Amino acid sequence: AQSVTQLGSHVSVSEGALVLLRCNYSSSVPPYLFWYVQYPNQGLQLLLKYTTGATLVKGINGFEAEFKKSETSFHLTKPSAHMSDAAEYFCAVSDGAGRRALTFGSGTRLQVQP
Amino acid sequence: SAVISQKPSRDICQRGTSLTIQCQVDSQVTMMFWYRQQPGQSLTLIATANQGSEATYESGFVIDKFPISRPNLTFSTLTVSNLSPEDSSIYLCSVGGLVVEQFFGPGTRLTVL
Repeated sequence: AQSVTQLGSHVSVSEGALVLLRCNYSSSVPPYLFWYVQYPNQGLQLLLKYTTGATLVKGINGFEAEFKKSETSFHLTKPSAHMSDAAEYFCAVSDGAGRRALTFGSGTRLQVQP
Repeated sequence: SAVISQKPSRDICQRGTSLTIQCQVDSQVTMMFWYRQQPGQSLTLIATANQGSEATYESGFVIDKFPISRPNLTFSTLTVSNLSPEDSSIYLCSVGGLVVEQFFGPGTRLTVL
């Protein structure tokens, strides 16, 4: 069984500040990990993914995440927040080569203050 | 990445009726998934629909309530039957297969009165 925990349902940062969204996972098999973003009234867009290999992965819009197996974490960061980053962010895990179905965290709403 | 469309984009339905949601993909895909996103909540997988086989439902979801069709590799439908206000949600389809990530449609926003 897999699960995802996102700490902080709401995160507020100032424009230009560091963005840090936390994600911890539980998986009985080597996980594939994902971050998705959902803008208001839209579907989900893939930000980045980790499958194997390099543990620091870079995604779109300046976001990156680091897979830390020892901490079972996959936190999302961005050095400098932009107003357009305001959205809902979801961390998700899949069982890789298995069913491929995604288990989502509860989501974190990012607010960016001017 | 695949381009996915859903119809309708939103609907308001009366209690006791049914709504069928269509999901169309611009390329052939092996795996299609249906998710529900209740108001202010995360996404929950309803079922996996693979062409040529019966849909596989997650715990808490049954075929009588959420019948799914997958007639070919580019299309699927989800019906939400015997609607109640608790069914008010966003329903999203996604596709996967050759790549590990899933691509999502824009969602169908259902309101049940």
